[in-house]
Amino acid sequence: EAGVTQFPSHSVIEKGQTVTLRCDPISGHDNLYWYRRVMGKEIKFLLHFVKESKQDESGMPNNRFLAERTGGTYSTLKVQPAELEDSGVYFCASSPQGGRINEQFFGPGTRLTVL
Amino acid sequence: GDSVTQMEGPVTLSEEAFLTINCTYTATGYPSLFWYVQYPGEGLQLLLKATKADDKGSNKGFEATYRKETTSFHLEKGSVQVSDSAVYFCARSNDYKLSFGAGTTVTVRA
Repeated sequence: EAGVTQFPSHSVIEKGQTVTLRCDPISGHDNLYWYRRVMGKEIKFLLHFVKESKQDESGMPNNRFLAERTGGTYSTLKVQPAELEDSGVYFCASSPQGGRINEQFFGPGTRLTVL
Repeated sequence: GDSVTQMEGPVTLSEEAFLTINCTYTATGYPSLFWYVQYPGEGLQLLLKATKADDKGSNKGFEATYRKETTSFHLEKGSVQVSDSAVYFCARSNDYKLSFGAGTTVTVRA
């Protein structure tokens, strides 16, 4: 069974540009989460989807960040316009509906560098 | 709010040495506790977990015991290998949201 995949693995963009990160959860997992680790600090929760619905987006830093999960399968996280402080590693995780909801399976992350 | 504090790294050890990484958590509610590991070039992997007080999680020779009285979940391994070189994250969860520590980079030398 394939794990959580993320694309791209690395992205280098200039301040003011737009970047879109993609996450493909484990097939059949209804729960999808985005997290971010900035500059070697703790990994912080961004938001949680159940299928296509946003259950909790309390961790989204500001309105430059937009997450979608059309059809309840893969998810995208768009940053527009990117700022220097957005640099970091963005992790996606998924978990099954009805399972132990706090057992999350993580992808390898996307390393975003904003110059 | 919910938070996790773990010892700062980096930690450098020789093979077969004893490893301890301290972790404490805020005592809000009845959290589940986790250790995640990130090997070079890979994603976060669940290493072990404990869901209630006095539970001991174990995997790959690592152990951690859920200590409610000290709000701690320290990670230990008696004899590390070069392959244990990784970043280790302590985490807690009351529901779906994981709260992580800052991570501890461990390097094991042959």
